[in-house]
Amino acid sequence: EAGVAQSPRYKIIEKRQSVAFWCNPISGHATLYWYQQILGQGPKLLIQFQNNGVVDDSQLPKDRFSAERLKGVDSTLKIQPAKLEDSAVYLCASSFSGASNQPQHFGDGTRLSIL
Amino acid sequence: GNSVTQMEGPVTLSEEAFLTINCTYTATGYPSLFWYVQYPGEGLQLLLKATKADDKGSNKGFEATYRKETTSFHLEKGSVQVSDSAVYFCALSAVQGAQKLVFGQGTRLTINP
Repeated sequence: EAGVAQSPRYKIIEKRQSVAFWCNPISGHATLYWYQQILGQGPKLLIQFQNNGVVDDSQLPKDRFSAERLKGVDSTLKIQPAKLEDSAVYLCASSFSGASNQPQHFGDGTRLSIL
Repeated sequence: GNSVTQMEGPVTLSEEAFLTINCTYTATGYPSLFWYVQYPGEGLQLLLKATKADDKGSNKGFEATYRKETTSFHLEKGSVQVSDSAVYFCALSAVQGAQKLVFGQGTRLTINP
């Protein structure tokens, strides 16, 4: 089966600019996650979708980050305006139902550099 | 809140050495436990998992046992290879509430030939 697809792989922007990332989960997976992974740290959950509804966005900096999954399939994460501390790898993951014992499948991520 | 603490890295071993990467957790209830591996330039891949106490997860020669009494999930491999060089993440997923992975900080493993 095809894995989680993310694009772009790399993005370089200046601070205060905007950027968007795209994710297409594994077919049939109801739950989609966006994680932020800062260099040298483990991934941190930003937002979780169940179909097209938000389950958890408690760690999403809502003043600058937004995400949507309008049709319950692919998703977009946006940052506007970007800050230097947003430099990180943004990982998308999906799982079949979101049950705690189910593994999450990760894409290769988008590496974002803020100048 | 839930948290995961991993052994500090980096860890450097010779090929065919025995590997242990320690992982302990703090959680309410009975979380599911996972080890993920991240190769350079790639996303995380599930290595193994255990969903209840005393379960042993295993894959590609790696093993980890869910120890509730010590709140641990240490990763072991009897004989490592150069291709095992990667960053390893221990993670838990809470039983209640929104299911999300809480990761440790990762342990970078380098295997020398």
